[in-house]
Amino acid sequence: DTEVTQTPKHLVMGMTNKKSLKCEQHMGHRAMYWYKQKAKKPPELMFVYSYEKLSINESVPSRFSPECPNSSLLNLHLHALQPEDSALYLCASSPRPWAADTQYFGPGTRLTVL
Amino acid sequence: QQQVKQSPQSLIVQKGGISIINCAYENTAFDYFPWYQQFPGKGPALLIAIRPDVSEKKEGRFTISFNKSAKQFSLHIMDSQPGDSATYFCAAILNSGGYQKVTFGTGTKLQVIP
Repeated sequence: DTEVTQTPKHLVMGMTNKKSLKCEQHMGHRAMYWYKQKAKKPPELMFVYSYEKLSINESVPSRFSPECPNSSLLNLHLHALQPEDSALYLCASSPRPWAADTQYFGPGTRLTVL
Repeated sequence: QQQVKQSPQSLIVQKGGISIINCAYENTAFDYFPWYQQFPGKGPALLIAIRPDVSEKKEGRFTISFNKSAKQFSLHIMDSQPGDSATYFCAAILNSGGYQKVTFGTGTKLQVIP
């Protein structure tokens, strides 16, 4: 099973709302990632969690707040977003780094900020 | 040195033809080279991947050719079908600590016409 699931599939929110995106994997991967993808562009890394600890924050504004409650679950809390934050938000996971393997992506959450 | 250059930006191929997408990298420390296929509004899906000590890998109609000395790799899609119409991203993975850093190419939009 190489599945990463994300909910919700679509989200529309106002600039004053608070919402959360959820990502789950049951492949035993210990690294999980949040990416942002704009149309016709490759995914841009936002956050990396390794063994439930935040390892990378790519200078993401504080209105995005990640959380990794356990090894299978990753959340992205959203607050006071801007219209330019509208994008496809992707979650990914990867196995142990010494395994010749790659990242597996979820289907994404299409976020629209009004 | 972290860039991965991908070409062409777009590609139109007749049904049954061969689609070829090329990528070049600079950093010889990359550990793994995947290709992702992405349909509109969906997450990138792993298509095929290769280690740098292998010169070619074939899976069905998809083949990666890898030239380590030239620091180039390419994706060949044989007998291209309309269902292959998607955006393709090459990538290069660097294993770092407990996680992976992925450098994506800029993407190639493939259109297979009947």
